[in-house]
Amino acid sequence: KNEVEQSPQNLTAQEGEFITINCSYSVGISALHWLQQHPGGGIVSLFMLSSGKKKHGRLIATINIQEKHSSLHITASHPRDSAVYICAVTGSQGNLIFGKGTKLSVKP
Amino acid sequence: DVKVTQSSRYLVKRTGEKVFLECVQDMDHENMFWYRQDPGLGLRLIYFSYDVKMKEKGDIPEGYSVSREKKERFSLILESASTNQTSMYLCASSAPVVGYTEAFFGQGTRLTVV
Repeated sequence: KNEVEQSPQNLTAQEGEFITINCSYSVGISALHWLQQHPGGGIVSLFMLSSGKKKHGRLIATINIQEKHSSLHITASHPRDSAVYICAVTGSQGNLIFGKGTKLSVKP
Repeated sequence: DVKVTQSSRYLVKRTGEKVFLECVQDMDHENMFWYRQDPGLGLRLIYFSYDVKMKEKGDIPEGYSVSREKKERFSLILESASTNQTSMYLCASSAPVVGYTEAFFGQGTRLTVV
């Protein structure tokens, strides 16, 4: 079993829809990260959180430490949000443990 | 702007060649990492380093080595490239873990071994 599980693996949405991507983990963590990877390959950090909720523009990330679960929400989705979204946790040695990613496609 | 820079975006190498992938960061970070990313497998850790001249094996070190002679530079070496090393390679850096720390990624190197 993977230490970090994401769902769904693929997601297609219409522009304007509310989107949720889920992440569950089975290890002790100091932080959870949401990353975005566009087709060019580079990865950008969207959020790093260890409790509660963070918001940046149309993106919201929540984490429930007791349930070992996090969600990434995108409100009023737009085609430019199309990307792979990756959940990762900071392991005990400081390295990141990654989920396999969720490929989001937002259609106009 | 903080930066992690990988020397090449795209590389094509022949089987058996020795390949160097270079990564440079300008944030004075102690931690540096090399990952490879493959469809259906996600990102997997190859090697990481906590300081100059220090290195630790990740989950899939076979066929790779690394070098960290200077704090800002972390090199991944494919001693004898093989076709199963065709992949996207990503470098990352972070400050030492105190509580939690954000990782910064390079733009990736897409390596094709023919």
